[in-house]
Amino acid sequence: SQQGEEDPQALSIQEGENATMNCSYKTSINNLQWYRQNSGRGLVHLILIRSNEREKHSGRLRVTLDTSKKSSSLLITASRAADTASYFCATDAKMEGGSEKLVFGKGTKLTVNP
Amino acid sequence: EAQVTQNPRYLITVTGKKLTVTCSQNMNHEYMSWYRQDPGLGLRQIYYSMNVEVTDKGDVPEGYKVSRKEKRNFPLILESPSPNQTSLYFCASSFFRGETQYFGPGTRLLVL
Repeated sequence: SQQGEEDPQALSIQEGENATMNCSYKTSINNLQWYRQNSGRGLVHLILIRSNEREKHSGRLRVTLDTSKKSSSLLITASRAADTASYFCATDAKMEGGSEKLVFGKGTKLTVNP
Repeated sequence: EAQVTQNPRYLITVTGKKLTVTCSQNMNHEYMSWYRQDPGLGLRQIYYSMNVEVTDKGDVPEGYKVSRKEKRNFPLILESPSPNQTSLYFCASSFFRGETQYFGPGTRLLVL
């Protein structure tokens, strides 16, 4: 897998259902962030979870981080049509050679049908 | 209102005609960055700046220049645009590298 790779690439659900998106990465990280993008617009930050944290909540959002498996999940509960967007994970990754960089995945496109 | 602004929002130009996309933030952020977003390729970093007068290359810097003369501004310069630079461009800023990024609304560029 690539650094910061989301799964699935696309997800279609009915309003009221829960949506789960996953992110896998390869290197050690300082933190992992989730962003949302409505079609063609700027990304909006949702949650930042640090490497020493396991779970974080914000409203209907729940993010988990498993550093042993190098993976994270974003759960949106009781989804609404307005949640339709693309969701990106970004890892603040420790790269070879000691450098650090924020790497974005290619995103999960979520469609919530009314 | 805390925000990152970009101008122009839409631009159609021709090959070789120099252009500048401006980016400004009012949050006193140290770190600023430019990304391009292309279908199937996600967001790729072009250049970033850790602070005033400090800039460095990202993953796809070829064909682009930047400057950071003031903390709030981080313009992206295309000296001789080519069709492969047709893309959606985003400026972003954060207090420090690796922290929450605030994105501008995007600039959609078409190079003919």
